[in-house]
Amino acid sequence: QKEVEQNSGPLSVPEGAIASLNCTYSDRGSQSFFWYRQYSGKSPELIMFIYSNGDKEDGRFTAQLNKASQYVSLLIRDSQPSDSATYLCVATTGGFKTIFGAGTRLFVKA
Amino acid sequence: EAGVTQSPTHLIKTRGQQATLRCSPISGHTSVYWYQQALGLGLQFLLWYDEGEERNRGNFPPRFSGRQFPNYSSELNVNALELEDSALYLCASRGSGSATDTQYFGPGTRLTVL
Repeated sequence: QKEVEQNSGPLSVPEGAIASLNCTYSDRGSQSFFWYRQYSGKSPELIMFIYSNGDKEDGRFTAQLNKASQYVSLLIRDSQPSDSATYLCVATTGGFKTIFGAGTRLFVKA
Repeated sequence: EAGVTQSPTHLIKTRGQQATLRCSPISGHTSVYWYQQALGLGLQFLLWYDEGEERNRGNFPPRFSGRQFPNYSSELNVNALELEDSALYLCASRGSGSATDTQYFGPGTRLTVL
């Protein structure tokens, strides 16, 4: 079992729709969770982080965390073609361990 | 504030040679992470340096090594290059506040082994 699992996609949504990206993790000691966006050939850039159960909103992005279910998600409202990228889910523990998911490719159709 | 910088941007080597990649963290950050991302694949953790010490390494052979200098910049060395070492090598830095703080990535070094 992969430590951080994501559906590889591609996830295809029409422009203006809500894109829902999901992630599960296996280490119950994971404390912090991050979502990065990576355009092809570029380095990952941070979108959001979340530490506590519940929702966290930042502009068009909402991160959701459910530690009991070991589940993290990222919602993108009013999706734009510029949101087309690979989204990486990351889990970290209180120590050194940082695990990246393989990423979900999102394609927003104009 | 300057971000994480990496050099060179591109590096072309032949099999058996050695490659040296460099990373400068964000000012004030003491931790540096190295990752390998082969084409179309996810990030694979290589090495973590903090306060000049190697804190952890991923499942890579010993020919992947590195160090962190007193100014917290870091160097990744890959000896006896193999074709499958061709990848984007990413460096990330993190502040010393918490091990779970955000990592910020540099632009990467594209290594091509011929």
